[in-house]
Amino acid sequence: SQELEQSPQSLIVQEGKNLTINCTSSKTLYGLYWYKQKYGEGLIFLMMLQKGGEEKSHEKITAKLDEKKQQSSLHITASQPSHAGIYLCGADSIQGAQKLVFGQGTRLTINP
Amino acid sequence: EAGVTQFPSHSVIEKGQTVTLRCDPISGHDNLYWYRRVMGKEIKFLLHFVKESKQDESGMPNNRFLAERTGGTYSTLKVQPAELEDSGVYFCASRRGQTNTEAFFGQGTRLTVV
Repeated sequence: SQELEQSPQSLIVQEGKNLTINCTSSKTLYGLYWYKQKYGEGLIFLMMLQKGGEEKSHEKITAKLDEKKQQSSLHITASQPSHAGIYLCGADSIQGAQKLVFGQGTRLTINP
Repeated sequence: EAGVTQFPSHSVIEKGQTVTLRCDPISGHDNLYWYRRVMGKEIKFLLHFVKESKQDESGMPNNRFLAERTGGTYSTLKVQPAELEDSGVYFCASRRGQTNTEAFFGQGTRLTVV
């Protein structure tokens, strides 16, 4: 089965600092998703990556998928308190199978 | 368009009782998923519907859990009888396509079994 490993599991950064969260798979990813969850809320979609080497940005968040499509990173520039939450990477397990699975999440805390 | 709606938002029941969770997906989304997050652990896949059919139910913990999606619209997840370890947050998600499409999540149902 698809396994997604996220690192770090938790992260505390000073407001204004940059940070990176990683997501690694043992198998080729055929659709990599980044979501964010705030306490007591559902998952909010951030970005989807499909192609090797693809990179997408939204505001201060950039996500990349490596050429081999087995690792993705989420980078936040000049972090703000609003970035705090749990970040999850998800993937379609294998091509043709529709199960959407998630990593264990990275809890991000932003200190003012 | 309306998002994915889950009901109730919270439920506290006693061990041995029955609870039914409901999920209303986004209209037109054939694919509906149930997930569970137990305290401190990752979001675990439970099952996947395509319209009214169970595509994959490999994540269902045991036969105390029963999911239905009659008519291919809303879905219910019944736990009977509930056990203490069933406590957690149950999420529902829907998406139009089967892969490479964004899944939209509900707010979740927080189930506490006491």
